[in-house]
Amino acid sequence: DGGITQSPKYLFRKEGQNVTLSCEQNLNHDAMYWYRQDPGQGLRLIYYSQIVNDFQKGDIAEGYSVSREKKESFPLTVTSAQKNPTAFYLCASSMGLAGSSYNEQFFGPGTRLTVL
Amino acid sequence: AQKVTQAQTEISVVEKEDVTLDCVYETRDTTYYLFWYKQPPSGELVFLIRRNSFDEQNEISGRYSWNFQKSTSSFNFTITASQVVDSAVYFCALIEVNRDDKIIFGKGTRLHILP
Repeated sequence: DGGITQSPKYLFRKEGQNVTLSCEQNLNHDAMYWYRQDPGQGLRLIYYSQIVNDFQKGDIAEGYSVSREKKESFPLTVTSAQKNPTAFYLCASSMGLAGSSYNEQFFGPGTRLTVL
Repeated sequence: AQKVTQAQTEISVVEKEDVTLDCVYETRDTTYYLFWYKQPPSGELVFLIRRNSFDEQNEISGRYSWNFQKSTSSFNFTITASQVVDSAVYFCALIEVNRDDKIIFGKGTRLHILP
C-alpha cells in the first residue's frame, strides 16, 4: 500500500537527549514536511524539503534538524536545544509544485513525543 | 494577524443535525489555494478538498459540501445529516502562490457529534 509511515507512534525521552523521528513515504512525492501540533493548536511548520538534498526552515525550526538524503525519507531530529519538545509531530508529503498545481499534502499517523 | 481564522473552537451537535464549520482567510494574492482536512482521534490528517481561487463553484461530495465566497473571503464546510464518525478536528488551510508556497493552517474546529 502507498502511504507515509512514521515510527514510533509514541516516544519517551529524557530531557537533554537528542531524538530522531522517522518518516518514510512510498508515494514518489518530491516534497516532504514536518509539523508540530500542540493541544488546541493548529499545525506549525518545522522544516520542509522540495527536493532531495535540499530543505528549508519553517516557522519554528529552532532546536530541530533534518536531512533529505533520499527521496523516500525525511527524518527529524529534536535536539536538546528545543526548549519544549513534548508535542505531536506529523510528517507529510506532496507532489510538490508539479506544473501549475498546488497539490494536497498526505499525512502520516504522527509520533507523540514526551520528554520526561 | 491570522491568515486563516476558524472562529469556532469547538462545536457539539446531535447526530443527524446539519453543521457548518466556518473558515475565513486573508490574502492579497489573486492566486491561492484553499484546503480542508479532517483529523480523527487517531491523529492522521485526511485531505478532504482543494479549491483554487479561480473556481468559486460550490462543491458537494455526499454529505459534505463547501461554500467558497471570495467576496467575504470565506470557505465554509457543511456536513449534512451528521454522524458520530464525523467527530474530529477539522482544519482549513491556505496556500498563497506568490508567497513562499507554504501551507498555512487555521487552528481547527473540534466537532463532537453526539449520539
